[in-house]
Amino acid sequence: EPEVTQTPSHQVTQMGQEVILRCVPISNHLYFYWYRQILGQKVEFLVSFYNNEISEKSEIFDDQFSVERPDGSNFTLKIRSTKLEDSAMYFCASTFTLGGSYEQYFGPGTRLTVT
Amino acid sequence: EDQVTQSPEALRLQEGESSSLNCSYTVSGLRGLFWYRQDPGKGPEFLFTLYSAGEEKEKERLKATLTKKESFLHITAPKPEDSATYLCAVQAGNYGQNFVFGPGTRLSVLP
Repeated sequence: EPEVTQTPSHQVTQMGQEVILRCVPISNHLYFYWYRQILGQKVEFLVSFYNNEISEKSEIFDDQFSVERPDGSNFTLKIRSTKLEDSAMYFCASTFTLGGSYEQYFGPGTRLTVT
Repeated sequence: EDQVTQSPEALRLQEGESSSLNCSYTVSGLRGLFWYRQDPGKGPEFLFTLYSAGEEKEKERLKATLTKKESFLHITAPKPEDSATYLCAVQAGNYGQNFVFGPGTRLSVLP
């Protein structure tokens, strides 16, 4: 069964460093998403991406964040200068939908620890 | 502002003891309401999508229903493997591409 994959599973970085989180969505999906979940808190939407551009983004997704689909398979989230409060689990998700349901398939997540 | 709340925060059931989880939402023009299951340390797993008041969907021991202001996830005769956090989310945003999640209900089913 196809699944969303994410690498690395755990990333430790120092405050102020740049990190890139990687995701491989399900191959025929068209919409891609990044979410974060701070430990013990709710899942928070960051950004949606369709047709090689951002569809919507939340207030969390400021100038420190960027997304890219550099080739036909990878979808990346870059944080330019990490802060302590960026420590969280980051989930990538994808969905197919052409007028259908936006049921999303989530990856296993990348745990980002900023020290 | 689009909001989703869920109750109870945590629920402990004995195996076989049926119950319901609540999701209340405030959104300008509901496009879709989603239920997910999340196991510790893992990503959410899709369960159901509901679109309009009165709609119901079932999967094994789970049944989701929708009204104009809330959704219920009914769990019939739960088993220990149903233990997880159940998340509710609504499709929102200007283009329906912003998904607002509730805080979840942590369900424990004891054998």
